[in-house]
Amino acid sequence: GENVEQHPSTLSVQEGDSAVIKCTYSDSASNYFPWYKQELGKGPQLIIDIRSNVGEKKDQRIAVTLNKTAKHFSLHITETQPEDSAVYFCAASSSGGFKTIFGAGTRLFVKA
Amino acid sequence: SQTIHQWPATLVQPVGSPLSLECTVEGTSNPNLYWYRQAAGRGLQLLFYSVGIGQISSEVPQNLSASRPQDRQFILSSKKLLLSDSGFYLCAWSLQGLGEKLFFGSGTQLSVL
Repeated sequence: GENVEQHPSTLSVQEGDSAVIKCTYSDSASNYFPWYKQELGKGPQLIIDIRSNVGEKKDQRIAVTLNKTAKHFSLHITETQPEDSAVYFCAASSSGGFKTIFGAGTRLFVKA
Repeated sequence: SQTIHQWPATLVQPVGSPLSLECTVEGTSNPNLYWYRQAAGRGLQLLFYSVGIGQISSEVPQNLSASRPQDRQFILSSKKLLLSDSGFYLCAWSLQGLGEKLFFGSGTQLSVL
C-alpha cells in the first residue's frame, strides 16, 4: 500500500541554525505534498505545501523541495527560533483522493 | 472565516463504556469531513471520511463507527471501548472536490482505563 517515510524522528538544533526534514513516498500518483506543524496538545496546522508541477516553494523562513523522479521531498527551516519547536509531519495525496498519507513525524527541538 | 470545533478536549473512559465525540464546522458548506487517530509518538491514521450527509467511508476495520447527521456535523462513536482505543482523535475538514488541504480541530485525548 501507499507509504510515506519520514526522517529523522527527532532533530535538535541550536537557535539560528537550519533544520532539514526528509520524506519519501511510494505512490507514483501522489501529486500534492503538504507539511503540517503540530504543537503540544493541538491539532496539526498546514504550514506549506507543494504540488508535483513545482520543484521548490519558499515562504519566509521555510521552504520545501520536491524530486519527483526520486520520490523525495524535504522541508527546510532556516534561522530556527524556539517557537519552531514542534512535531512536523509530511504527507502525500493525489488529486481528488481522500487518503492523505502521513509520515510518522519529526520532533524538532530548537535550543535557545 | 471557517472554524472547526471538536469536543471534549480530554476524556477518560472505562473499558466497555460507550463513546461519542463530536465535531462541527462553521463558515463553509458541504465540506469533506475526516476522523484521524494519532497514537502516542506516531503519525496520523485515517479512520473515516465523509463527502456528504449520511455518506461514510471506513478506512480501518475497528471498534469505532462514524455518522454525519448534518452537513457540518461529524460524530465518532463506539458501543464498547477497548484499551486499544486510547489515543488522540482529530477531526478535520477539507473543501469539497479537492480533498487535499486539511484543516484540523484541536483534538480529543481519549484514555481508556
